[in-house]
Amino acid sequence: AQSVTQPDIHITVSEGASLELRCNYSYGATPYLFWYVQSPGQGLQLLLKYFSGDTLVQGIKGFEAEFKRSQSSFNLRKPSVHWSDAAEYFCAVGAGSGGFKTIFGAGTRLFVKA
Amino acid sequence: GAVVSQHPSWVICKSGTSVKIECRSLDFQATTMFWYRQFPKQSLMLMATSNEGSKATYEQGVEKDKFLINHASLTLSTLTVTSAHPEDSSFYICSATGSGSEYEQYFGPGTRLTVT
Repeated sequence: AQSVTQPDIHITVSEGASLELRCNYSYGATPYLFWYVQSPGQGLQLLLKYFSGDTLVQGIKGFEAEFKRSQSSFNLRKPSVHWSDAAEYFCAVGAGSGGFKTIFGAGTRLFVKA
Repeated sequence: GAVVSQHPSWVICKSGTSVKIECRSLDFQATTMFWYRQFPKQSLMLMATSNEGSKATYEQGVEKDKFLINHASLTLSTLTVTSAHPEDSSFYICSATGSGSEYEQYFGPGTRLTVT
């Protein structure tokens, strides 16, 4: 069965510093991979997705992620964090066999300090 | 872009009563809708998947008789929490996919349910 691991429960970075959020997945075939962001009390917003092709994916708000099959990873990066990036970030893997499902990681809470 | 709405955004109900949450796709036809539950500071847990005109498929451990899901049209799915109890208090989020884009879900803003 597919699963997603986000090893960091929370991360604190200074505004302007770079960011990397880790994500590892478990799935037998090539997965569909997603990163979502959730602000408190809100729904989820899609940052970026990987289905196939170029393993470096660009998303919204200056985020990017790199799919590394050998490491089963899909880490999210941003070169310079803004205070408004403080939120919960979820990595997710999607798969379908008889119906598409998305499995979410536990999430990483990002704190941004001035 | 594709927009999904939920109503109400928050609701308080008394223990033993039922509450209905609506999920609507505003500008596309949702062939499949998903219902998730999220406890504070936790991840989303898939409760069920529903296709228009079909019975919902529930995840293991989710009580079908307690969480009634109806997907009567291509733009509306409802989740009814029957005989609610305080432990049902949670944040419920729906999402939807359209035809031709089954791998990309569009999420609603969520509904906060508090059972007193």
